[in-house]
Amino acid sequence: DAKTTQPPSMDCAEGRAANLPCNHSTISGNEYVYWYRQIHSQGPQYIIHGLKNNETNEMASLIITEDRKSSTLILPHATLRDTAVYYCIVGAWRRDDKIIFGKGTRLHILP
Amino acid sequence: EAGVTQFPSHSVIEKGQTVTLRCDPISGHDNLYWYRRVMGKEIKFLLHFVKESKQDESGMPNNRFLAERTGGTYSTLKVQPAELEDSGVYFCASSQAPNYGYTFGSGTRLTVV
Repeated sequence: DAKTTQPPSMDCAEGRAANLPCNHSTISGNEYVYWYRQIHSQGPQYIIHGLKNNETNEMASLIITEDRKSSTLILPHATLRDTAVYYCIVGAWRRDDKIIFGKGTRLHILP
Repeated sequence: EAGVTQFPSHSVIEKGQTVTLRCDPISGHDNLYWYRRVMGKEIKFLLHFVKESKQDESGMPNNRFLAERTGGTYSTLKVQPAELEDSGVYFCASSQAPNYGYTFGSGTRLTVV
């Protein structure tokens, strides 16, 4: 079972920052927060992950609250190509763990 | 660096036939995963290889599905005999370490008619 809660859909204007929230109130101390996305008809794509500190890479930023019960993925300047389903996933960096996808958030970038 | 390659990209077979899907992971990635998305449903985990060993096959739907990874390189997923409900997109992913930034292939779209 997915351990996260995400809104089913969101809209964002092109060029604006897209902020995708995720709740993971039952996250364990050794579990990371991962974000993936799936653009229509393509394989899922890894975006970013973090444990407790905020993280940034060339694709996005990940903001994790101090209590680690929620996080926000930020796409700083959304483009039409960012239209996709975004998945927030929690999991441990362990040999016997794996990524479990939930329903995700369908992000629509509006021109 | 070549990505994860899946073959074929599409397959249409009749109910009762056999189909074999292939996945070539990124070179050096010991961890290989199979997932499936049936239309309208969530992406579901099927199984996880570490090198040539099955670490977790809890998601395999039934014994009509057989996955192998001989030599710890490429993997195959055989469906025999195929049923209508097996239709969907099968994704393969690989990673250097467990749960570390999976790289997914483009998937194989399987249609059973």
